Amino acid sequence: DTEVTQTPKHLVMGMTNKKSLKCEQHMGHRAMYWYKQKAKKPPELMFVYSYEKLSINESVPSRFSPECPNSSLLNLHLHALQPEDSALYLCASSHHVRTPNTGELFFGEGSRLTVL
Amino acid sequence: AQRVTQPEKLLSVFKGAPVELKCNYSYSGSPELFWYVQYSRQRLQLLLRHISRESIKGFTADLNKGETSFHLKKPFAQEEDSAMYYCALSGISGSRLTFGEGTQLTVNP
Repeated sequence: DTEVTQTPKHLVMGMTNKKSLKCEQHMGHRAMYWYKQKAKKPPELMFVYSYEKLSINESVPSRFSPECPNSSLLNLHLHALQPEDSALYLCASSHHVRTPNTGELFFGEGSRLTVL
Repeated sequence: AQRVTQPEKLLSVFKGAPVELKCNYSYSGSPELFWYVQYSRQRLQLLLRHISRESIKGFTADLNKGETSFHLKKPFAQEEDSAMYYCALSGISGSRLTFGEGTQLTVNP
C-alpha cells in the first residue's frame, strides 16, 4: 500500500460541533503532517509528527488538536471552528524528518471541510 | 528564513511548444528543491527533485545556485501537462517544506 488515505472526503460542520479528520498510511513512514490548503493557494503547514511525537506546531489555534495514536494513524480533532477555517485539509507522510530526501512527501487526497 | 517565489500565477502555451515554469528561492544554507504537481481532482504529488537530476514526464529542472533558481522546463508541452505546479524548498532540518504560490499551467490544443 503506497497511499495516504484520508477520511472523510467531505465534512460540513457547525461552529459548535466537534469532529475529527483521520489519516492513515502503511508505508512505514515515521513522519506525518497536517497541511491546510485554501483554493488556488499552496498548502500551509500546520503540524508535524516525528515518531509519534509532535515536533512542529506552526502556531495553529487550539481549536485544532492533532493526535498521533500510532505510527500509521494521524487525527485532527476539530472543535469550535470558524467559517474561515473552511479549507482542504491535507495529510502527508514521509520516511523521516531528518533523513535525506525528506522533502518527498506523500499526500492524501484531502478532507474538504466546510464550517457553517 | 526560507522563501520560494513563482512569479507566474498563470501560464498558457500551445501543445508542442516549449514551456518553462520559473522558480526562485531564498535560503541561507544548502537547500533541497522540488517540484510538486497537482492535476485536476488528483492529489498533490512529487514531480521531481534536484538531487535526482532526472527527467520525469519529459520535465527537467536544474538548480542554479548562482541565480538561486530552479526552473522547470519541458521542450514539447502536452495537453495532459495542464496542472498546478508548486516549487518547494526544504532546508537542512528537512521538516519544513516551503511551497511557492504555484503556477497554473494550461496547455492548449
